[in-house]
Amino acid sequence: EAGVAQSPRYKIIEKRQSVAFWCNPISGHATLYWYQQILGQGPKLLIQFQNNGVVDDSQLPKDRFSAERLKGVDSTLKIQPAKLEDSAVYLCASSSTSGMVYEQYFGPGTRLTVT
Amino acid sequence: SQQGEEDPQALSIQEGENATMNCSYKTSINNLQWYRQNSGRGLVHLILIRSNEREKHSGRLRVTLDTSKKSSSLLITASRAADTASYFCATHVIMYSGGGADGLTFGKGTHLIIQP
Repeated sequence: EAGVAQSPRYKIIEKRQSVAFWCNPISGHATLYWYQQILGQGPKLLIQFQNNGVVDDSQLPKDRFSAERLKGVDSTLKIQPAKLEDSAVYLCASSSTSGMVYEQYFGPGTRLTVT
Repeated sequence: SQQGEEDPQALSIQEGENATMNCSYKTSINNLQWYRQNSGRGLVHLILIRSNEREKHSGRLRVTLDTSKKSSSLLITASRAADTASYFCATHVIMYSGGGADGLTFGKGTHLIIQP
């Protein structure tokens, strides 16, 4: 079974520029999550999708961050404009909602550096 | 906000010894999960323990959960160099009133170093 795919793996941008990250979840997984992991900390949930609908975006800084999952499969997370404090690893995860399975499968992440 | 707090923040032991990490959390949970993260393989799920379970084993891993104290521990027996990584506990809460929101809440992690 193919895992969660993310691209790009690394990105360096200047502050005030925009950036987008892409995620392809495990086939058949209806639930998709985006997490932000700042160096030295654990991942923090930004947004959760169920199919193509948003379930939870309470911790998403909506003035600069946006995310979409138009066809209920791939997802894109965008930051515009980026700030220095957005430097982090952005992790995408997916899970199956069938059979009361709660394990989340994480992608390799995109390491963002804002200079 | 981060619900889980791992203890210790860093742990260095000799290969072959056992490693114990602790996690405390604040609210009622559906389950608690432990993840491992290293630069080579990203964040990997290790084990899940449900709120009505007290102990669970998986290979060299043993997890305990005390819901009255809101704490969990992860024991790795007979440690190996390949166990060097950061270990995170993550609490899982299902917000049924929130449309089923169930994102994990992670602690800051324990960085484990296994010395050969």
